[in-house]
Amino acid sequence: GDQVEQSPSALSLHEGTGSALRCNFTTTMRAVQWFQQNSRGSLINLFYLASGTKENGRLKSTFNSKESYSTLHIRDAQLEDSGTYFCAAERTGGNNKLTFGQGTVLSVIP
Amino acid sequence: EAAVTQSPRNKVAVTGGKVTLSCNQTNNHNNMYWYRQDTGHGLRLIHYSYGAGSTEKGDIPDGYKASRPSQENFSLILELATPSQTSVYFCASGDAGMGTGQLYFGEGSKLTVL
Repeated sequence: GDQVEQSPSALSLHEGTGSALRCNFTTTMRAVQWFQQNSRGSLINLFYLASGTKENGRLKSTFNSKESYSTLHIRDAQLEDSGTYFCAAERTGGNNKLTFGQGTVLSVIP
Repeated sequence: EAAVTQSPRNKVAVTGGKVTLSCNQTNNHNNMYWYRQDTGHGLRLIHYSYGAGSTEKGDIPDGYKASRPSQENFSLILELATPSQTSVYFCASGDAGMGTGQLYFGEGSKLTVL
């Protein structure tokens, strides 16, 4: 089936630093979404991209359909950024179904 | 902001019992989804719907039924609950013009089957 490979599986960042999360796809995807699951378990939609790059505050995401990957960049990390980040992608020609990656557990350290 | 509300938020059921998880969305989205989340498996799609009266099987539909009686409501039904169905269940709706659209999730329903 469709595969969404997410890396790294876990990441620790000191406050004020930044890093990137990545998702690789094994088939051509139409669109990608990124979610944050916070400490209460709520899933918050961060980005929806059909192509290109979007930015929102300290977060920036890129989706390259041709090269089958997406990235989520976090800069100036804050304690409230801790949580699990999921990417989810929809296959081109697929029937409105998202496939989720396994998630990246982000810990922001004071 | 999309509003997706799930009930109950917590449920303890006995093996063989019937469980209904309800989901309501107030944003007139056509697509609705039920996922379960388990450690080591991420989120997996159980059933989804394109609109009132429509239900489709997702990737792990066995042991579950779904019902979409209206645009706003989408239920997940476990006719004979088993301990393997202990999980956290999430409902989502999507503002699809094409494809899934951006998904908005409910707060989750934690189900324990004893």
